[in-house]
Amino acid sequence: KAGVTQTPRYLIKTRGQQVTLSCSPISGHRSVSWYQQTPGQGLQFLFEYFSETQRNKGNFPGRFSGRQFSNSRSEMNVSTLELGDSALYLCASSLGQGAGNTIYFGEGSWLTVV
Amino acid sequence: AQSVAQPEDQVNVAEGNPLTVKCTYSVSGNPYLFWYVQYPNRGLQFLLKYITGDNLVKGSYGFEAEFNKSQTSFHLKKPSALVSDSALYFCAVRDSRGYQKVTFGTGTKLQVIP
Repeated sequence: KAGVTQTPRYLIKTRGQQVTLSCSPISGHRSVSWYQQTPGQGLQFLFEYFSETQRNKGNFPGRFSGRQFSNSRSEMNVSTLELGDSALYLCASSLGQGAGNTIYFGEGSWLTVV
Repeated sequence: AQSVAQPEDQVNVAEGNPLTVKCTYSVSGNPYLFWYVQYPNRGLQFLLKYITGDNLVKGSYGFEAEFNKSQTSFHLKKPSALVSDSALYFCAVRDSRGYQKVTFGTGTKLQVIP
């Protein structure tokens, strides 16, 4: 069974540009969540989707947005990139939205903003 | 509000010795607790979780964790450390009540010395 797939794995963007990251969850998983990981801030929760609806949102500015499609795939978008947005962006999926469901992570997308 | 603390930024242990990585948590309801491991430049890998039942939970790669409700702790343990266990370990908690996000600790770097 394929794991969580994130694309692209690595990308470099210029300050002010926007970026879209994609995530394909494990087959059958309907919940997708996104995290930002940086050396200074650790793992920060961005948002979580279930059945195309945002269920939870972290404390990030409106420049960060996401969506989930009917096939459970998800994308996140960051507009007007800042240098501080350089991070590893991790997508995770789980079978359902129950609290006991295990979330499984992808390998991440490394974003560098220059 | 829920929170999780990993009091040690780094733990050093000699190969073959037992290892413990500490985690304490705070939730309003009953806790669902998770441990993940992250190798360099990789995503997080699920190790084990506690939902209910036996306080000693066994997981992948010989790891286990003990849930202690009175001390609100969920320490990760392994009887005999391997050099290949060297990685970053994250504890996470989710409140069983309502629909809360998963909260991760700041991570503990485990260094197993040959």
